[in-house]
Amino acid sequence: DAGVIQSPRHEVTEMGQEVTLRCKPISGHNSLFWYRQTMMRGLELLIYFNNNVPIDDSGMPEDRFSAKMPNASFSTLKIQPSEPRDSAVYFCASSPPGGNYGYTFGSGTRLTVV
Amino acid sequence: DQQVKQNSPSLSVQEGRISILNCDYTNSMFDYFLWYKKYPAEGPTFLISISSIKDKNEDGRFTVFLNKSAKHLSLHIVPSQPGDSAVYFCAASVPNFGNEKLTFGTGTRLTIIP
Repeated sequence: DAGVIQSPRHEVTEMGQEVTLRCKPISGHNSLFWYRQTMMRGLELLIYFNNNVPIDDSGMPEDRFSAKMPNASFSTLKIQPSEPRDSAVYFCASSPPGGNYGYTFGSGTRLTVV
Repeated sequence: DQQVKQNSPSLSVQEGRISILNCDYTNSMFDYFLWYKKYPAEGPTFLISISSIKDKNEDGRFTVFLNKSAKHLSLHIVPSQPGDSAVYFCAASVPNFGNEKLTFGTGTRLTIIP
C-alpha cells in the first residue's frame, strides 16, 4: 500500500492566487481528515469527511477555504484567494471503518504564500 | 481555545536516560488519548494510545500514563535513543459513534543528545 498520497509536496504562490491541495487516501479507508500544522496551534483540524460526506468543517478558517471529496479515492482543499497567513504545512489523513483512531497521515504539503 | 496543551515546546535528554513528555487537557469528555511522533518532512505516525479506563499502557520502551483527575498524561521513553529525536504530538478524542476526530496539541520537539 502506498499510504496516503498528497500533492504537491511544496507550493509557493503569490498572495491572491488560488491554491489547490490534493489527497489520495488509503484504499478501504472511509474517513478523511485535513489538518494544518503551525507553530502556534500545532495540528489543527480543518475538516473531515466520512464516506465522502463532510461531517465537521468547523475548523475551516474562513470562506476562502473549501474542501471536496467527490469520491472515495480523492479529496481537494482549495484556498481562494490565498494570503501570507495561510503559509503552513497541510496534512491529509485517512482512517478505516470502525473508529477513527487508526489515522494514517500523508507527508504533507508545505504551502508558502508570498 | 486549546483543549490539548503541550507546554514544553522542546526537550533535550541524554542518550540512555528517560524522556518524559507531558500533556494537559481541558475537555472532560475526552476518553481516548494518543501520542504521535513526527520526523521532519514526514507526516505524524501513531506511537501509543490509552483509554480513559486505564491509567497506564506500555509498549516496549514507551509507556503512557493517564491521570484523569488532573487531566494530565505523560509519555515516558526509556532508555532514550538518538532515533527518538522527533516532534511528539499528544492527541485526544471524544466518543462519537465512529465519527471520532482527534484534537492535537502543539507538539514537543525532543532531542536526544548522544
